[in-house]
Amino acid sequence: EDQVTQSPEALRLQEGESSSLNCSYTVSGLRGLFWYRQDPGKGPEFLFTLYSAGEEKEKERLKATLTKKESFLHITAPKPEDSATYLCAVREKGAQKLVFGQGTRLTINP
Amino acid sequence: NAGVMQNPRHLVRRRGQEARLRCSPMKGHSHVYWYRQLPEEGLKFMVYLQKENIIDESGMPKERFSAEFPKEGPSILRIQQVVRGDSAAYFCASSQTGDNQPQHFGDGTRLSIL
Repeated sequence: EDQVTQSPEALRLQEGESSSLNCSYTVSGLRGLFWYRQDPGKGPEFLFTLYSAGEEKEKERLKATLTKKESFLHITAPKPEDSATYLCAVREKGAQKLVFGQGTRLTINP
Repeated sequence: NAGVMQNPRHLVRRRGQEARLRCSPMKGHSHVYWYRQLPEEGLKFMVYLQKENIIDESGMPKERFSAEFPKEGPSILRIQQVVRGDSAAYFCASSQTGDNQPQHFGDGTRLSIL
């Protein structure tokens, strides 16, 4: 069965303090790894798709990377508006459903 | 805003009643997915539909739950004879095709069972 584990569960940073969120996965044939951002009371907002090991994607202060076993979401010089829960999900070959991790709750203090 | 629209945003039902949750996909999207987020748990897949067809219902409970996506109109997730354990946020997502396109989510329906 596909498994996705995110760490840490929660992370508090000061504004400008860079860090990384981890997503470890076990899947029988990765078709895609997806990162989402979720604000309280809202649905997940799509950020990135990564398809193969070595791939990287960037958007503003966020950069996602992928290896054969895990993905990292690097956040550089974060701002308070980056505070949210970040979700990682995988899709295995032959399936359309996403399997989500529990998320990392990120808080950026001004 | 042509995003995924879900209604109602909040729904309160008493035990034994029926709950109907609606989802209108993004314009041009013909693939719909339903997920459930229980308190303190992650998002769990329930069902995947295309117009008039259920493609994968492997995550949906066998009893009391059903889903449809008719030729015209929104997708409906129906829960019959609700119980306290059905209290959760139900999210709908849509994609343009099934070919590894990202799924875009609505803001969910929060279902509370009294």
